[in-house]
Amino acid sequence: GQQVMQIPQYQHVQEGEDFTTYCNSSTTLSNIQWYKQRPGGHPVFLIQLVKSGEVKKQKRLTFQFGEAKKNSSLHITATQTTDVGTYFCAEVVSGGYNKLIFGAGTRLAVHP
Amino acid sequence: NAGVTQTPKFQVLKTGQSMTLQCAQDMNHEYMSWYRQDPGMGLRLIHYSVGAGITDQGEVPNGYNVSRSTTEDFPLRLLSAAPSQTSVYFCASSYTGPSSYNEQFFGPGTRLTVL
Repeated sequence: GQQVMQIPQYQHVQEGEDFTTYCNSSTTLSNIQWYKQRPGGHPVFLIQLVKSGEVKKQKRLTFQFGEAKKNSSLHITATQTTDVGTYFCAEVVSGGYNKLIFGAGTRLAVHP
Repeated sequence: NAGVTQTPKFQVLKTGQSMTLQCAQDMNHEYMSWYRQDPGMGLRLIHYSVGAGITDQGEVPNGYNVSRSTTEDFPLRLLSAAPSQTSVYFCASSYTGPSSYNEQFFGPGTRLTVL
């Protein structure tokens, strides 16, 4: 089953409000990737985090990797209607060949 | 480049029928994978391949077969379709495996309904 848990499952915000989704694991993560999927679309890569405590920014999006590498978060400042979609974290699982295992995702709705 | 392409876009099958979902990429990517997406379940890995001739099982491999005879193509075969296989199927590829800095490029998906 899935090894990363994402919360919340759904989030409704007013345009201009901030939004955060969290990705938690009971085990130490080697690295983590974040993807966005627009309604009716396919997942699109946003970023990969590798180092403990890493923080990366893409315009209004801020990605963090926990110090213990057991959690990660995506924060969107001042949401816009273009931010609507489902945000997934995905962990790289080692062992034999590496594979990418996704969390269940957080669906974001933005009301104008 | 066309990127990752999938055919068909939509498919309706009857229980027990077999079919092959096609996936191709023109980016010379070694790593390819198949996911299924069900409501509330996110994306679950079915099978993946690290190169031509090498495949491995993911989280939910039962009922599906894969083979990788070329770098470009990675078809997914449903042996005997069941209603539980109703889902949206995504193919993805990347230059190498996900251990290094490699984004996965996803195809547009195939929406499959099994009656």
